[in-house]
Amino acid sequence: GEDVEQSLFLSVREGDSSVINCTYTDSSSTYLYWYKQEPGAGLQLLTYIFSNMDMKQDQRLTVLLNKKDKHLSLRIADTQTGDSAIYFCAESMGEKLTFGTGTRLTIIP
Amino acid sequence: GAGVSQSPSNKVTEKGKDVELRCDPISGHTALYWYRQRLGQGLEFLIYFQGNSAPDKSGLPSDRFSAERTGGSVSTLTIQRTQQEDSAVYLCASSLRSLKGKLFFGSGTQLSVL
Repeated sequence: GEDVEQSLFLSVREGDSSVINCTYTDSSSTYLYWYKQEPGAGLQLLTYIFSNMDMKQDQRLTVLLNKKDKHLSLRIADTQTGDSAIYFCAESMGEKLTFGTGTRLTIIP
Repeated sequence: GAGVSQSPSNKVTEKGKDVELRCDPISGHTALYWYRQRLGQGLEFLIYFQGNSAPDKSGLPSDRFSAERTGGSVSTLTIQRTQQEDSAVYLCASSLRSLKGKLFFGSGTQLSVL
């Protein structure tokens, strides 16, 4: 199928690390993406990883890719209240992106 | 413009009426996408434009849905004879073809069908 799967909810204490997981379907996807959606706003590209990489770090964000298991994760270090949002992973399939269901990240003070 | 602009931001309509949703992409972006986001669900691909042509319209749910793009810029998504299940946020995104996957999204149109 074409489903990209994510857990729907994640709650994390402020200052802890958040890990958001995703499984995708197309092993030929060239890039995999993480998008962030804040309340009332459209999606914003957060980071992406090329499929021949297994890790990418960008400030507080770390993306891990396990191609064998088709598993992608996003780690947010030192989670802050401003990180509250819905996080979508996406894979490229031809000219379009197929998005997961999104994971709503809630920060506990 | 500075970003992708969608109008209206909210639309309430009665079942059976037609609606038009508009998207103004970022100037110079040749690719334009429409997605639908139902409450509590992920993004559902509807249609993709490259210039004025739509090489992939596989996501349009029924023949009540149509979209066009003129001048390689503005796009209109039309839903005829709206049904309650059409209620959703309709998101438009644009990109440069050379930056595949790096989509810039508008804030969406919240459509409510009563």
